[in-house]
Amino acid sequence: RKEVEQDPGPFNVPEGATVAFNCTYSNSASQSFFWYRQDCRKEPKLLMSVYSSGNEDGRFTAQLNRASQYISLLIRDSKLSDSATYLCVVNIGAGTASKLTFGTGTRLQVTL
Amino acid sequence: DTAVSQTPKYLVTQMGNDKSIKCEQNLGHDTMYWYKQDSKKFLKIMFSYNNKELIINETVPNRFSPKSPDKAHLNLHINSLELGDSAVYFCASSQETASTYNEQFFGPGTRLTVL
Repeated sequence: RKEVEQDPGPFNVPEGATVAFNCTYSNSASQSFFWYRQDCRKEPKLLMSVYSSGNEDGRFTAQLNRASQYISLLIRDSKLSDSATYLCVVNIGAGTASKLTFGTGTRLQVTL
Repeated sequence: DTAVSQTPKYLVTQMGNDKSIKCEQNLGHDTMYWYKQDSKKFLKIMFSYNNKELIINETVPNRFSPKSPDKAHLNLHINSLELGDSAVYFCASSQETASTYNEQFFGPGTRLTVL
């Protein structure tokens, strides 16, 4: 079983749609959780951290369910510029021994 | 100003050759990483260094040797290149403290093609 699993997509949605991505992780000792965004042929960039209490950043909402080892990302009112691959990321270590484990990513294509 | 830079951006070479990729960060971070992203886009950590000291060494063939001359630089030397080494290699840096996680900033990547 992969350490971090995501549906690879692609998700093709029209502008303005709401889209949700899910992710599961296998290591219950995981310390912290993130969504990164990677544009085509570019480097990954942090989109947002994910907390058990849930957190929102504009049109983006992330949720963590530690009991189910499940992470989600909701994007409301999709824009063309949201087209990218969204990487679910889990930090197994802590501090200087931080070790990010990436899912294979979910590709989103927003169309007119 | 580029925060994390890598050179070269593209590297095409023959099997069996030895090559190096350089990484520099000007963010004042003390932890640096090398990741490999294969053709299936799977991004996996290879090494991490904190203040020039090796912290993480995943199961990477010993043909790969990282070197950190100072905390702003982490280079990757690869001996006897193989076809399977073809991938995009990303360098990253962060400022880690004992108890918290801080964002990792990635370089633009080096696309290595082994022929």
